[in-house]
Amino acid sequence: KQEVTQIPAALSVPEGENLVLNCSFTDSAIYNLQWFRQDPGKGLTSLLLIQSSQREQTSGRLNASLDKSSGRSTLYIAASQPGDSATYLCAFNIGGSYIPTFGRGTSLIVHP
Amino acid sequence: DAGITQSPRHKVTETGTPVTLRCHQTENHRYMYWYRQDPGHGLRLIHYSYGVKDTDKGEVSDGYSVSRSKTEDFLLTLESATSSQTSVYFCAIKATSGREGTDTQYFGPGTRLTVL
Repeated sequence: KQEVTQIPAALSVPEGENLVLNCSFTDSAIYNLQWFRQDPGKGLTSLLLIQSSQREQTSGRLNASLDKSSGRSTLYIAASQPGDSATYLCAFNIGGSYIPTFGRGTSLIVHP
Repeated sequence: DAGITQSPRHKVTETGTPVTLRCHQTENHRYMYWYRQDPGHGLRLIHYSYGVKDTDKGEVSDGYSVSRSKTEDFLLTLESATSSQTSVYFCAIKATSGREGTDTQYFGPGTRLTVL
């Protein structure tokens, strides 16, 4: 059974800090990995998707990397802002499966 | 948001009553999913569909059934609601795009169900 671990489970930082959120997965036959953001009481919003053939993807202040050999992905948030406060989840798909495996998320609070 | 809507957005019902949640998409995606999200458990897959009338069970399918008679609609039914089914329910689709067939999952806004 595939598993995804997200560390830390919760994080509270002052505004302006650069952050790294971690996602570890157990299956090296990864097809892609997706990062999501979830605001309280809302659905999941797709942030970045990395294919297995890629090493990283960037969108604005967000950068996601993928290291298949170590089974890890990191989400880097530059110059954090209070508006970044949310829960961040990662999910990966293995080849031949259409059922992604989700982590439980990292709850981020950025205080002014 | 890939044109995904869920209805109702909020529902309170009593134990033993049937409940149907609807997920509607506007972009003809083949794959659709129903999840529930609970504190301490994260997202758990209930059922998914890979085409009209083609569905399969997820990890927490007991007590739930689904139907997909049209590409755009995926219904989740609780035949006899129980308090343990109090949760937030999310619908999702898988969108395939680009020459490499990149698969991206998109979620609906959720339905908050309370079973008293």
